[in-house]
Amino acid sequence: AQSVTQLGSHVSVSEGALVLLRCNYSSSVPPYLFWYVQYPNQGLQLLLKYTTGATLVKGINGFEAEFKKSETSFHLTKPSAHMSDAAEYFCAVSAYSSASKIIFGSGTRLSIRP
Amino acid sequence: EAGVAQSPRYKIIEKRQSVAFWCNPISGHATLYWYQQILGQGPKLLIQFQNNGVVDDSQLPKDRFSAERLKGVDSTLKIQPAKLEDSAVYLCASSLSSGRNTEAFFGQGTRLTVV
Repeated sequence: AQSVTQLGSHVSVSEGALVLLRCNYSSSVPPYLFWYVQYPNQGLQLLLKYTTGATLVKGINGFEAEFKKSETSFHLTKPSAHMSDAAEYFCAVSAYSSASKIIFGSGTRLSIRP
Repeated sequence: EAGVAQSPRYKIIEKRQSVAFWCNPISGHATLYWYQQILGQGPKLLIQFQNNGVVDDSQLPKDRFSAERLKGVDSTLKIQPAKLEDSAVYLCASSLSSGRNTEAFFGQGTRLTVV
């Protein structure tokens, strides 16, 4: 069965600092991995996804993530945080079945200090 | 392109009452999902439709929750009777197909409070 673990329910960084949100996955088959962002009172928006091919994936708003099979990780980074990045971030894995089922982690709330 | 529409945005009911949520997916999207997001947790899949057929409802509490997608377009999710622990945001999402790498688009959700 597939699962994801997000390390740290809350991360706080200064504006302009590096953002690093950690995600580890468990999967018995090659995983498809996603990062979603959720702004207050909004639905989820896809930031980026990894399916196959290049392990460094670039997404919207300057975010990127690297798939590391040896570490079973898919950490999300952004070189320089902006105030508008404050939101909840969810790592997710697509379950291997006849129909896709996205399994979400518990989320990491990102706060940006001025 | 219009996004996934959900209504109502907010709902407050007393326990043991019934409630229904409505979702209109993006036009042409065959796959529709209902997720439950309890405060402080990630979304949990309740049910997944492919057109008007159910492909996964393994985590739907069928003694009180029901969902339908008549004509393979709009969908409704019903809770009867509601319990306090049903307080959550109910998210509807849709995607073009059910492939593993297909992006799911989410609505803004319905926040349910059971008192």
